[in-house]
Amino acid sequence: QVQLVQSGAEVKKPGSSVKVSCKASGGTFNNYRISWVRQARGQGLEWMGGIIPIFDSGNYAQKFQGRVRITTDESTSTAYMELSSLRSEDTAVYYCATDHGGALLGYWGQGTLVTVSS
Amino acid sequence: QTVVTQEPSLTVSPGETVTLTCASSAGAVTTGYYPNWFQQKPGQAPRALIYSTSNKHSWTPARFSGSLLGDKAALTLSGVQPEDEAEYYCLVYYGVAQLLFGGGTKLTVL
Repeated sequence: QVQLVQSGAEVKKPGSSVKVSCKASGGTFNNYRISWVRQARGQGLEWMGGIIPIFDSGNYAQKFQGRVRITTDESTSTAYMELSSLRSEDTAVYYCATDHGGALLGYWGQGTLVTVSS
Repeated sequence: QTVVTQEPSLTVSPGETVTLTCASSAGAVTTGYYPNWFQQKPGQAPRALIYSTSNKHSWTPARFSGSLLGDKAALTLSGVQPEDEAEYYCLVYYGVAQLLFGGGTKLTVL
């Protein structure tokens, strides 16, 4: 069973950056895409982008192009999502999720709350 | 800009059958868009239920099923249980850089 464990909550100032981690265990890390999805309070889910570790090249939703960077460290089976130029509207819970077999986003992390406030 | 649309809310009584749908502004949702369905309860991470239109995960209860209905993807709950009260999201795959969630359906079991 795949498990994804994310880093803890963050509080950031507008204009700064945040980097959230997602450590995978119990599966084959390199072969499946890891995606990042966010959810503002009371709102729906929003796919931000994803990466397949063996290809080491992220694909990003147009909305986040130029502001988000997803990377992986295969040695520790950890994925990272860095979001820059933060604004208050980026306040949300950020989830990592991995594809598995033919399933998109079959396994999810517990979520990381990022609060952007001056 | 493509938009994926779901019913905002549905109410059902225990034991009844309910169908949630997922439509795309880009046209018919087909198997080639690999529609997926997720359940989310308050304060929890989403949980995958259905992938590639109709395939169940090992943990998906038998009462959940996925299909295509006309030009939409559909999630049917047969014999709804009180614990099925949750928000349900569909996800449509348009390409490696375009996965779109629907706005979600809030299912109330009364």
